[in-house]
Amino acid sequence: DAKTTQPNSMESNEEEPVHLPCNHSTISGTDYIHWYRQLPSQGPEYVIHGLTSNVNNRMASLAIAEDRKSSTLILHRATLRDAAVYYCILRANTDKLIFGTGTRLQVFP
Amino acid sequence: DAGVTQSPTHLIKTRGQQVTLRCSPKSGHDTVSWYQQALGQGPQFIFQYYEEEERQRGNFPDRFSGHQFPNYSSELNVNALLLGDSALYLCASSPIGVGATEAFFGQGTRLTVV
Repeated sequence: DAKTTQPNSMESNEEEPVHLPCNHSTISGTDYIHWYRQLPSQGPEYVIHGLTSNVNNRMASLAIAEDRKSSTLILHRATLRDAAVYYCILRANTDKLIFGTGTRLQVFP
Repeated sequence: DAGVTQSPTHLIKTRGQQVTLRCSPKSGHDTVSWYQQALGQGPQFIFQYYEEEERQRGNFPDRFSGHQFPNYSSELNVNALLLGDSALYLCASSPIGVGATEAFFGQGTRLTVV
């Protein structure tokens, strides 16, 4: 299973943009890049996913490097509710999700 | 739509006992996966069920077994409980797909083994 590398923790102030990086140098051509987040005492929640092109949805944007060896999850304006652990996951055609330890995002008012 | 529901929410068992956890997938989803999340760690994949059969399995001993019913709901059984089995057990459902499908997770069952 291809692995991802993320910083253990990051901090942001409310209403500022947040860029959460992820390295995945061993990604294969068929791996999708998925991001999930987990709020305290809850199950993981889907955020966004992509294959090659940058993606936007109502929650966030996903910027994927041209060589696909890294990606960045962008929260355009952080809120207190965005404080969570963010997981970057490579998902192949087996469908299972291989979680790492993720990035704990703290948001300060 | 109720999403993914799991029961019970909390459970305390004694070492050596057996436990059964239950999961109802999101409406329209036919694939159910189970994950174990120890405190401070990311979820670890246990196994996945599709069409009432175990489709793939993670690195967990045979004490962990499961079942999927015709209505797509699923059970996770753990025999001969160990203290190390204390964790949050998460169920996720998705339509069968090849990497592009979003998985929906339940709130989990917190199992404490004493």
